[in-house]
Amino acid sequence: QSALTQPASVSGSPGQSITISCTGTSSDVGSYKLVAWYQQHPGKAPKLLIFQVSQRPSGVSNRFSGSKSGNTASLSISGLQAEDEADYYCCSYAGGSTFVFGTGTKVTVL
Amino acid sequence: QVTLRESGPALVRPTQTLTLTCTVSGFSLSTSGICVSWIRQPPGKALEWLAVIDWDDDKKYSTSLTTRLTISKDTSKNQVVLTMTNLDPVDTATYYCARRLIGDPDAFDIWGQGTTVTVSS
Repeated sequence: QSALTQPASVSGSPGQSITISCTGTSSDVGSYKLVAWYQQHPGKAPKLLIFQVSQRPSGVSNRFSGSKSGNTASLSISGLQAEDEADYYCCSYAGGSTFVFGTGTKVTVL
Repeated sequence: QVTLRESGPALVRPTQTLTLTCTVSGFSLSTSGICVSWIRQPPGKALEWLAVIDWDDDKKYSTSLTTRLTISKDTSKNQVVLTMTNLDPVDTATYYCARRLIGDPDAFDIWGQGTTVTVSS
């Protein structure tokens, strides 16, 4: 269960769009639709942003979108806002009721 | 309202055993499809999935920690308990419990606020 690989940091100006990648293997990301994304502000618990690759929970802005191709999942944020500055983690089902998280990406709004 | 709340000691000595409790409300641990996981986050580092217990008492552990972890639940008390043996300073982290509802959304939709554990002599 090696951690999924994410870029350490991504930045953008307000209003711009950014994309965060999450690379796993054929044993996790590549095999299941159960990829989720979490947003974590400093000192807070993670919050579910995207589930099942591309679904948004009620109340999450449609500026957040998810996709997957092969062993790589992606989170896109459009119309970047100051409040989007946070850490973002992907998470994939890895079989047998187990999960693996990504290495985390710090998003900075310039 | 669905909530989870973690509790446990803030300071543990090296080699000791850590016992953490997750108390849930707003749902039953015996409801089909309900799973509760423990997830930890060392200071400044990434989230790490540790263990899960399902509504039917099925249990799974992180392969890297399986020999040190035990997860259990007491449905009547609405509690999930995680024990971790032989603590080391690298186990210093914030420990979260989180709910997963199989099927929809089939992700960790509700998290506790976390409990911080420091391992130090």
